[in-house]
Amino acid sequence: AQKITQTQPGMFVQEKEAVTLDCTYDTSDPSYGLFWYKQPSSGEMIFLIYQGSYDQQNATEGRYSLNFQKARKSANLVISASQLGDSAMYFCAMREEGGGTSYGKLTFGQGTILTVHP
Amino acid sequence: GAVVSQHPSRVICKSGTSVKIECRSLDFQATTMFWYRQFPKQSLMLMATSNEGSKATYEQGVEKDKFLINHASLTLSTLTVTSAHPEDSSFYICSAALILGPESTDTQYFGPGTRLTVL
Repeated sequence: AQKITQTQPGMFVQEKEAVTLDCTYDTSDPSYGLFWYKQPSSGEMIFLIYQGSYDQQNATEGRYSLNFQKARKSANLVISASQLGDSAMYFCAMREEGGGTSYGKLTFGQGTILTVHP
Repeated sequence: GAVVSQHPSRVICKSGTSVKIECRSLDFQATTMFWYRQFPKQSLMLMATSNEGSKATYEQGVEKDKFLINHASLTLSTLTVTSAHPEDSSFYICSAALILGPESTDTQYFGPGTRLTVL
């Protein structure tokens, strides 16, 4: 069975500073995908970044980077140069890799509420 | 990225009535759609996986007769909450999967969600 753990219910960061949101996972599948989503107060889920289990390099997307440590089963999200608009709930998720038309479902962590202070 | 819409965005209904929520993929064909439920400040809990043309697969603990899912086409899935009660009040979110093959990346796109309040 899969499990995703986000141990930080809330995080605070000063504007323009970097912040790391923690995520650890547990799976017996050799192939899996890790995702981070942002959910502002409006409720929409915004995809941020993806890391495949076989990817050799850490994923980066603009100000977002994923610190993937496979042996430790962690996939922390790093947001550089925080902006006020980054204040939101952040979810880490893992997907079982399904082949063909069988698409794996996502399992979400508990979420971390990030507050960016001016 | 791809666009997924949900309708309605908010609904208030009386206890005992049924409510239908639509999820549409607007610019791509989705063979698989997922329905999630989210309580305030909590995580998303998968309710069911909906495959076009076949019966939905429900997660453990989700009543199939209460939460009816229909996936009639590659762009539309519906969730009907039958005989809704106040405890069914929640935020319901759908997502649509764009199938590019195994280990594809950001291919699950989320709708904006529907806030259901049952009085």
